[in-house]
Amino acid sequence: NAGVTQTPKFRILKIGQSMTLQCTQDMNHNYMYWYRQDPGMGLKLIYYSVGAGITDKGEVPNGYNVSRSTTEDFPLRLELAAPSQTSVYFCASSFDRGGYTFGSGTRLTVV
Amino acid sequence: QKEVEQNSGPLSVPEGAIASLNCTYSDRVSQSFFWYRQYSGKSPELIMSIYSNGDKEDGRFTAQLNKASQYVSLLIRDSQPSDSATYLCAVNNAGGTSYGKLTFGQGTILTVHP
Repeated sequence: NAGVTQTPKFRILKIGQSMTLQCTQDMNHNYMYWYRQDPGMGLKLIYYSVGAGITDKGEVPNGYNVSRSTTEDFPLRLELAAPSQTSVYFCASSFDRGGYTFGSGTRLTVV
Repeated sequence: QKEVEQNSGPLSVPEGAIASLNCTYSDRVSQSFFWYRQYSGKSPELIMSIYSNGDKEDGRFTAQLNKASQYVSLLIRDSQPSDSATYLCAVNNAGGTSYGKLTFGQGTILTVHP
């Protein structure tokens, strides 16, 4: 049982480039989330989804987009990367309102 | 005021001692409370959840919830060096359309020294 799988683990982007962070879960969870974690700042919610075809903004959505075409996949798209998007990104999933299962994270640096 | 605030760290305790981690939250309608442990360079891992007032024990961990005071804590008994990590408090303000969204505190770094 893989749980929540994120790719890539590391990435360096140049300012203005775009990329997609992949997230897949095999637990049949309806709820999926994207968070970013900056040093000493805890986790901030970027986007979330309560099921296939349904997404909504979190606390810090600017500069990001998501889609949820299947229950399993919840990719995060970064358009026009900026240095402020340098962070560690975590995808998570949950069943109803229980605790999250997190992916292993993507460490992104924008230079 | 931050929505979820944890006691400032870092917290250092000797091996075998009790480590006490505290968290306050601002939204009175919060319903679910979680503690996550995060080792350096790793993802958060759920260690405790609590939904009703009182204490909940799981091995060396005890979570305490007081909704009237909007306070949740985590006690770690017989602390071990392997408990050294950042501990994140998370609160589900799930009412209405909040679904399962968690709001996290900034984390408390715990170091257990031999």
